[in-house]
Amino acid sequence: GEDVEQSLFLSVREGDSSVINCTYTDSSSTYLYWYKQEPGAGLQLLTYIFSNMDMKQDQRLTVLLNKKDKHLSLRIADTQTGDSAIYFCAENTGTASKLTFGTGTRLQVTL
Amino acid sequence: EAQVTQNPRYLITVTGKKLTVTCSQNMNHEYMSWYRQDPGLGLRQIYYSMNVEVTDKGDVPEGYKVSRKEKRNFPLILESPSPNQTSLYFCASSFGRTREQYFGPGTRLTVT
Repeated sequence: GEDVEQSLFLSVREGDSSVINCTYTDSSSTYLYWYKQEPGAGLQLLTYIFSNMDMKQDQRLTVLLNKKDKHLSLRIADTQTGDSAIYFCAENTGTASKLTFGTGTRLQVTL
Repeated sequence: EAQVTQNPRYLITVTGKKLTVTCSQNMNHEYMSWYRQDPGLGLRQIYYSMNVEVTDKGDVPEGYKVSRKEKRNFPLILESPSPNQTSLYFCASSFGRTREQYFGPGTRLTVT
């Protein structure tokens, strides 16, 4: 089966690092993605990682992939109030245009 | 500007009254999808299309129809809407190996 799991909520203080975790079950996933959804808006692609990579860094974002444990994480350094949103991980299970999304993690940034 | 557009953005309707939500992309993407978003369930794929006249079911296709007569358009049709189809709907398009998806702004549908 294809299940992508995330914790529902994370609260961090402004300036701290945020780590959002995701576990998936389909070992054949080719690409894994992180999307951000701000209130009242659609989903915006933040970053993605190819399944043969362990880590990808893009400015304040670091993605770590542990294929053995089927675990994906997104670290946001120096978290800002503008980072408050729902973050979804998703996996491409190989079929064209087929993404399986997690339930989303709501990130709350406090002052 | 490269974008995915959906119309309408908000719709309130009654059970059984046929409706269509339009989706259009101007990026010449081959792949298009429809998702619904429900609290606690994330996004679930309804239908997807790999090209003109090629469509396939996603995870929750019951009660929905789609068509892909042109590359840029991918309308979602609810022949006989029911209250359990009250949801937030997103259209997306994608291309290439990475399949990164570009999402429309969403359509909030309420069926009473």
